[in-house]
Amino acid sequence: NAGVTQTPKFQVLKTGQSMTLQCAQDMNHNSMYWYRQDPGMGLRLIYYSASEGTTDKGEVPNGYNVSRLNKREFSLRLESAAPSQTSVYFCASRKGRENPILSYEQYFGPGTRLTVT
Amino acid sequence: QKEVEQDPGPLSVPEGAIVSLNCTYSNSAFQYFMWYRQYSRKGPELLMYTYSSGNKEDGRFTAQVDKSSKYISLFIRDSQPSDSATYLCAMSPISSGSARQLTFGSGTQLTVLP
Repeated sequence: NAGVTQTPKFQVLKTGQSMTLQCAQDMNHNSMYWYRQDPGMGLRLIYYSASEGTTDKGEVPNGYNVSRLNKREFSLRLESAAPSQTSVYFCASRKGRENPILSYEQYFGPGTRLTVT
Repeated sequence: QKEVEQDPGPLSVPEGAIVSLNCTYSNSAFQYFMWYRQYSRKGPELLMYTYSSGNKEDGRFTAQVDKSSKYISLFIRDSQPSDSATYLCAMSPISSGSARQLTFGSGTQLTVLP
């Protein structure tokens, strides 16, 4: 059971280049999330997918697009990278157990460190 | 003003000390409170989970929620060098849609010195 996996681990882009960050989970979770983490800013939600076939904007969606490819996979695309998108990107998924008190728990991947020059 | 405020530290303590980590929040609708631990260059992992007010204990860790003051705490007893990490608080109101979004604090960096 690998949990949440992310590729690549590291990436350097030039301004204006595009790339896709990949995320997959093998826990049969319904909801998936993309966050970015910057010093002093904590984790900020970029986009999320409540269930297969749906996606919604989070707090900081500008400059990003997402695709929920199937139940397992949720990708994040930067169409034209900018230096302000230099960050660590985390993908997460949510268990959604029957017990509503436990259904908020999110499991995180190891992150992708992206530098845009 | 951020919805969730957390002192970024860094906090440095000797091994065996009691550590207190705190977050304040402004949204009175928050009901679910979590603490995540994040080791350097790793993803966050859930440490403690509490609902509404009160205390919860798990080994050396105790989570407290004071909803009247909009203040949550994480206490670590007999701290170990392996506790050195960044600790993030996270919270959510009941039924924030089907996605159950979390609002995170910015994290407190803790170092426990041997």
